Amino acid sequence: GENVEQHPSTLSVQEGDSAVIKCTYSDSASNYFPWYKQELGKRPQLIIDIRSNVGEKKDQRIAVTLNKTAKHFSLHITETQPEDSAVYFCAARANQFYFGTGTSLTVIP
Amino acid sequence: GAVVSQHPSWVICKSGTSVKIECRSLDFQATTMFWYRQFPKQSLMLMATSNEGSKATYEQGVEKDKFLINHASLTLSTLTVTSAHPEDSSFYICSARDLGTSGLEFFGPGTRLTVL
Repeated sequence: GENVEQHPSTLSVQEGDSAVIKCTYSDSASNYFPWYKQELGKRPQLIIDIRSNVGEKKDQRIAVTLNKTAKHFSLHITETQPEDSAVYFCAARANQFYFGTGTSLTVIP
Repeated sequence: GAVVSQHPSWVICKSGTSVKIECRSLDFQATTMFWYRQFPKQSLMLMATSNEGSKATYEQGVEKDKFLINHASLTLSTLTVTSAHPEDSSFYICSARDLGTSGLEFFGPGTRLTVL
């Protein structure tokens, strides 16, 4: 099955700085790569996604890049704000989702 | 956007009892629903894929006789944790795939199960 690895597991940045989270996947059949933000005790919220026919996608302060050859994709958050603090999960899907292990992001005011 | 509900939102039960969790897609039809389990400070682990009108497909290591899944209609899937034990205490989250929106998946709010 698919194996999704995510790094780092924890990340602290100063407000206004950028944050980058990276994921790798193993199944070349995976063709959809969403990123979720999860606050404690709540459901994951989709923040951005990318499909395998696209290399980069941007939505305001959030961007995702995908390198299909290397089987890795990354989340970039610019101009971070304290409300960006949460756990972020990447996922890869061929038929089912497989989630990364999560990154706890703390934005220090 | 598409809404997925889960009921109950939290449940406390005694060891040995069974607990049923419902997952409903409220404004779209979902031929496929997924059940995840999430332990504190850990990632979501896919337990099983639930297809309407057919048997669920379980991930390796998930006991199908312990976690019974029924997907009787296009808007409802249920997960029953049978003979629950304290180690089953977890956050259970369902998701539903909306074929009408290019296969986007929407998560339910989750059910916090505590087994005493």
